[in-house]
Amino acid sequence: QSVLTQPPSASGTPGQRVTISCSGSSSNIGSNTVNWYQQLPGTAPKLLIHSNNQRPSGVPDRFSGSKSGTSASLAISGLQSEDEADYYCATWDDSLNGLFGGGTKLTVL
Amino acid sequence: QVQLVESGGGVVQPGTSLRLSCAASGFTFSDYALHWVRQAPGKGLEWVAVISYDGRYKYYAQSVRGRFTISRDNSKNTLSLQMDSPRPEETAMYYCARGLERNFGMAVYLDYWGQGTLVTVSS
Repeated sequence: QSVLTQPPSASGTPGQRVTISCSGSSSNIGSNTVNWYQQLPGTAPKLLIHSNNQRPSGVPDRFSGSKSGTSASLAISGLQSEDEADYYCATWDDSLNGLFGGGTKLTVL
Repeated sequence: QVQLVESGGGVVQPGTSLRLSCAASGFTFSDYALHWVRQAPGKGLEWVAVISYDGRYKYYAQSVRGRFTISRDNSKNTLSLQMDSPRPEETAMYYCARGLERNFGMAVYLDYWGQGTLVTVSS
């Protein structure tokens, strides 16, 4: 059971907008920045969003992140088939350890 | 280009030891914090440990504290993870990943990842 709670699955049709939530507490999301990772099948994870809402170079602007209080969200607009992957939120905890959410499997219908 | 290449995985018996390595290239190794992250088969990502850019600070997941040791050799551009008394439930792909520049490690910002090395803990 992860300290950071994500829905296990999400889905959408091509072109739709989907959001994935990540819920934590005051000692992790509430006091540290959130990063998001995309993991395509059989590959290493890739940094998708950092510092709550910043996109690394090369990440399409269809991907966006936000944070409010002890929760964060990843939004994907204009959903494409290649977005089908697992998505993880991550942050630091004030008890001096890193945390990942349990992951959300995104299916493009 | 930035490259991280893990090695040292394999089959290890519970209660013994295994040392993983991660060879880095393409960036100034001594400027960056470095992390280990693992993923059990069919499961999610689990953060394991981080070491600061200068090696002074090390932080561990509660589940491995006291059994695993992270270290780095900035003269050889190499990151290591000494796994003592591994448990069957720690069977996983182990990834090394680059953290923040000039950081003491307290952030799960991982911009480059290796392809991982598979560790199987079994008798």
